[in-house]
Amino acid sequence: QKEVEQDPGPLSVPEGAIVSLNCTYSNSAFQYFMWYRQYSRKGPELLMYTYSSGNKEDGRFTAQVDKSSKYISLFIRDSQPSDSATYLCAMNTNAGKSTFGDGTTLTVKP
Amino acid sequence: GAVVSQHPSWVICKSGTSVKIECRSLDFQATTMFWYRQFPKQSLMLMATSNEGSKATYEQGVEKDKFLINHASLTLSTLTVTSAHPEDSSFYICSARDPGGGDNNEQFFGPGTRLTVL
Repeated sequence: QKEVEQDPGPLSVPEGAIVSLNCTYSNSAFQYFMWYRQYSRKGPELLMYTYSSGNKEDGRFTAQVDKSSKYISLFIRDSQPSDSATYLCAMNTNAGKSTFGDGTTLTVKP
Repeated sequence: GAVVSQHPSWVICKSGTSVKIECRSLDFQATTMFWYRQFPKQSLMLMATSNEGSKATYEQGVEKDKFLINHASLTLSTLTVTSAHPEDSSFYICSARDPGGGDNNEQFFGPGTRLTVL
């Protein structure tokens, strides 16, 4: 079993929809949780960064962490075609390297 | 956020040759950089952790003699793929941690280098 599980999708939604992306994990020592967006043939871009449990909002993006359930989410409100990309969750224990999910491919249709 | 660059952005080489990829942190000093490879439609696979002034730490299954990593300064790490073969063709991405940033666990990625070995 992988340490981090992420549904690869693909996920297709109409423009303006609310998108929910999720990851589950098994290592209770994870404390730092990240969401990255990766466009085709580009490096990942850090979108959201949270420490421990709780919510964090940045514009149309909201990240949630529920450590008790070992579950993290990224919500995208008013989704746009430019949001079409692969979204990767990542987490670490402050020991150095991060563990990544496999990524969810999102397509937002105009 | 902090900026990380990679050079070259793409390279095509003949089988048996060596290829060097550079990763630079442009506006911060990175004591730790990471090297990943990514196959199409797959996630990032960590190859090694590069520490300035010391030997890199390789992940299990990664050949250290084939993928040479040098982290000679706080802003530059290099990955050399030695005696490249077609199966080494992949997207190589580096990342760096900004210890002086707001939170020392944020990782910033370079744009990646696409290697094609003929």
